[in-house]
Amino acid sequence: DVKVTQSSRYLVKRTGEKVFLECVQDMDHENMFWYRQDPGLGLRLIYFSYDVKMKEKGDIPEGYSVSREKKERFSLILESASTNQTSMYLCASSSRSAGRYEQYFGPGTRLTVT
Amino acid sequence: DAKTTQPTSMDCAEGRAANLPCNHSTISGNEYVYWYRQIHSQGPQYIIHGLKNNETNEMASLIITEDRKSSTLILPHATLRDTAVYYCIVSLSGSARQLTFGSGTQLTVLP
Repeated sequence: DVKVTQSSRYLVKRTGEKVFLECVQDMDHENMFWYRQDPGLGLRLIYFSYDVKMKEKGDIPEGYSVSREKKERFSLILESASTNQTSMYLCASSSRSAGRYEQYFGPGTRLTVT
Repeated sequence: DAKTTQPTSMDCAEGRAANLPCNHSTISGNEYVYWYRQIHSQGPQYIIHGLKNNETNEMASLIITEDRKSSTLILPHATLRDTAVYYCIVSLSGSARQLTFGSGTQLTVLP
């Protein structure tokens, strides 16, 4: 059974803190994604990675960075958290052979920045 | 990517089939139809996808009309756990890129 796990379900951080969100998949997928989901705005892509050490910006990369040192792990970093980064963060993965839209999602991390 | 139109909400009795429609009249010949769902406070879940032929897996069936302008997702025996927002997406397969959800259909399975 496919599995994508995220380090925390709920997280509360203060403005200005550096925040790390971790995502691990056990399906040997090449592609990994970070999205945020906000009411009325839908799912928005922050960054994605199609291979180890490779990354590409999505639609809203400002204020975020990512790291992919191992195939199974994709980290999202908020360099200096701000209140407008309060959101649900979703990690997903997909295999290169299955194509971009057969993505498997983790349970999400609900981040609150105060 | 082609635009999709789905009803805002639907109800279904537990144990009955749930039929969720999606219109995609501007679909092009090489675009796939994908279905996802999102249960409240969880990540989206891939259900099924198809190009031209009807598809079935352990979760659902996908019926695509011959002209490909619409499709129906069928949950054969809906349970309370199937209550979720269901998203129909039409797009090309291929290299990694973002997944874009529309507003979807809120399916409520009633006991």
